[in-house]
Amino acid sequence: QVQLHESGPGLVTPSGTLSLTCAVSGDSISSSNWWSWVRQPPGKGLEWIGEIYHSGSTNYNPSLKSRVTISVDKSKNQFSLKLSSVTAADTAVYYCARLPAAPSPFIDYWGQGTLVIVSS
Amino acid sequence: DIQMTQSPSSLSASVGDRVTITCRASQSINNYLNWYQQKPGKAPNLLIYTASSLQSGVPSRFSGSGSGTDFTLTISSLQPEDFATYYCQQSYSRRTFGQGTKVEI
Repeated sequence: QVQLHESGPGLVTPSGTLSLTCAVSGDSISSSNWWSWVRQPPGKGLEWIGEIYHSGSTNYNPSLKSRVTISVDKSKNQFSLKLSSVTAADTAVYYCARLPAAPSPFIDYWGQGTLVIVSS
Repeated sequence: DIQMTQSPSSLSASVGDRVTITCRASQSINNYLNWYQQKPGKAPNLLIYTASSLQSGVPSRFSGSGSGTDFTLTISSLQPEDFATYYCQQSYSRRTFGQGTKVEI
């Protein structure tokens, strides 16, 4: 059974950097999947942040690209998100997710989500 | 960027109703369209992939159709557990979600 688990600070100060890690179990980070981050502000819809393949290839949401870095740690079977220069608008539940590599990838496994609040 | 527009944003329905949600892409995305259901406080759950393929374990009352720019999600007979928010998502160029459709009693 594939499981994904997000971890990281639940509170980040404005202008700081949000850092989250997603630990993967039941699958190898080096398998044929994209590993993705999605966020959801309170009471709002889903926003795709970006994704990474084990080769290091990445895709990012153009609206966030200048502030986002997604990386993979094969030795720990996990991947990470860094979002810089955060503001209150970045307050959201952050999900990590798996997308099997295919012509039309879809998210088949999600983490439970972690709430990150940006506040001083 | 490809924009995804769902309609309606919310709808009221009763148990047993047939419900249809539409999703329109700002350009052709072939059939690279997926549907998710999300209940409060939970991660989304995949219902339909590549426009019309039913994910394993999902009840057959859910169906999807469409190609190009226009897609629909249909619930043939709404059940109490189907009251939730539904999102479409394109995978033709990167990923984009629709804004969601809340199905309420």
